[in-house]
Amino acid sequence: KAGVTQTPRYLIKTRGQQVTLSCSPISGHRSVSWYQQTPGQGLQFLFEYFSETQRNKGNFPGRFSGRQFSNSRSEMNVSTLELGDSALYLCASSLGQGDRSPLHFGNGTRLTVT
Amino acid sequence: AQTVTQSQPEMSVQEAETVTLSCTYDTSESDYYLFWYKQPPSRQMILVIRQEAYKQQNATENRFSVNFQKAAKSFSLKISDSQLGDAAMYFCAYSLLKNSGGGADGLTFGKGTHLIIQP
Repeated sequence: KAGVTQTPRYLIKTRGQQVTLSCSPISGHRSVSWYQQTPGQGLQFLFEYFSETQRNKGNFPGRFSGRQFSNSRSEMNVSTLELGDSALYLCASSLGQGDRSPLHFGNGTRLTVT
Repeated sequence: AQTVTQSQPEMSVQEAETVTLSCTYDTSESDYYLFWYKQPPSRQMILVIRQEAYKQQNATENRFSVNFQKAAKSFSLKISDSQLGDAAMYFCAYSLLKNSGGGADGLTFGKGTHLIIQP
């Protein structure tokens, strides 16, 4: 069974631009979560989607948004990029609501904002 | 809000020896999960071990075991017979039990411990 797939692996953008990151969960997983990892703040929860609905959101500005499609694939978007948005963005999937399965993470997308 | 603290930024151990990584957490909840994740240079977060707070027995997975002290809010990871492949960043994480593996409200992570294995 294929793992969580994130594309692209690396991305370089300029301040003020917007970016879209993609995540394909493990087949059968309906929950997708996103995390931001930086040296200063560590790993922080962005948001989680289940059945195309955002269930919860971390403490990030509205420039960070996401969505989930009917096939459970998810995208996250960051608009008006700032230098501080440079980070590793990790996606994780699990079976979903009511289950007790742990999160399975992808290899992440390394975003550099110049 | 829940917090997770890992007080050891870096640890070093000789191959085949045993090492213990420390983690403390703060929560007012009684039902929750605790995790140790490993992040090698490949960047993928890999689940090492999971402990449910309502279980008194410490979780074990082969060479990995935890010492869970609920009253002290302590959750240390012991790695026995350390191998070169164990070298990685190790993160302690917390999740409310109702959210099973960490989905809806997300995992709260510590800052991590960089584990070095000396050959």
